[in-house]
Amino acid sequence: AQKITQTQPGMFVQEKEAVTLDCTYDTSDPSYGLFWYKQPSSGEMIFLIYQGSYDQQNATEGRYSLNFQKARKSANLVISASQLGDSAMYFCAMRGGLNRDDKIIFGKGTRLHILP
Amino acid sequence: EAGVTQFPSHSVIEKGQTVTLRCDPISGHDNLYWYRRVMGKEIKFLLHFVKESKQDESGMPNNRFLAERTGGTYSTLKVQPAELEDSGVYFCASSPRRVAGPYQETQYFGPGTRLLVL
Repeated sequence: AQKITQTQPGMFVQEKEAVTLDCTYDTSDPSYGLFWYKQPSSGEMIFLIYQGSYDQQNATEGRYSLNFQKARKSANLVISASQLGDSAMYFCAMRGGLNRDDKIIFGKGTRLHILP
Repeated sequence: EAGVTQFPSHSVIEKGQTVTLRCDPISGHDNLYWYRRVMGKEIKFLLHFVKESKQDESGMPNNRFLAERTGGTYSTLKVQPAELEDSGVYFCASSPRRVAGPYQETQYFGPGTRLLVL
């Protein structure tokens, strides 16, 4: 069965510091995709970044990068130069299988607090 | 382009009552998904529509939940009768249906409906 594990329920980080949010996953599918979503206090789920299992390079989107270590089955999110607006809940997620329309499986989330 | 919208944003009902949640996906998106997050737990998949057809309803908790997507546009999720454990945030997401192209197609989420059953 597929599973996402986020071991950090909460984190406090000083503004402008880099942040690493941990995520490990488990799947038997040879092809899968990994996502990170941000959920601010307003409630909407915002897509941040995607990493495909066959992608050779780590994904990057602005200040977000995904540290993909396939052998360790980890997909940590790195936020560089954190900002107060980064305070939110962050969910790691996975879609397994070859069907790009399949459901997404989520971790429990990490609540990130950026301190001024 | 308008995003996924959900109505209502909040709903407070008593146990045994009926509640209907609505989701309007992004225009042109054939895929529509319902997810739920119960307090302190993971966001869990409920079901997946492709146009008006149910592609996967393996996550529906029981027969008190009924989802429809008539005409392949908006979708409703009815809970009847509601129980205390149904409280949580119900998310809707949509995505375009692609048979080719980048595998990375994400699902676009709505703001959720916060349901509280008393």
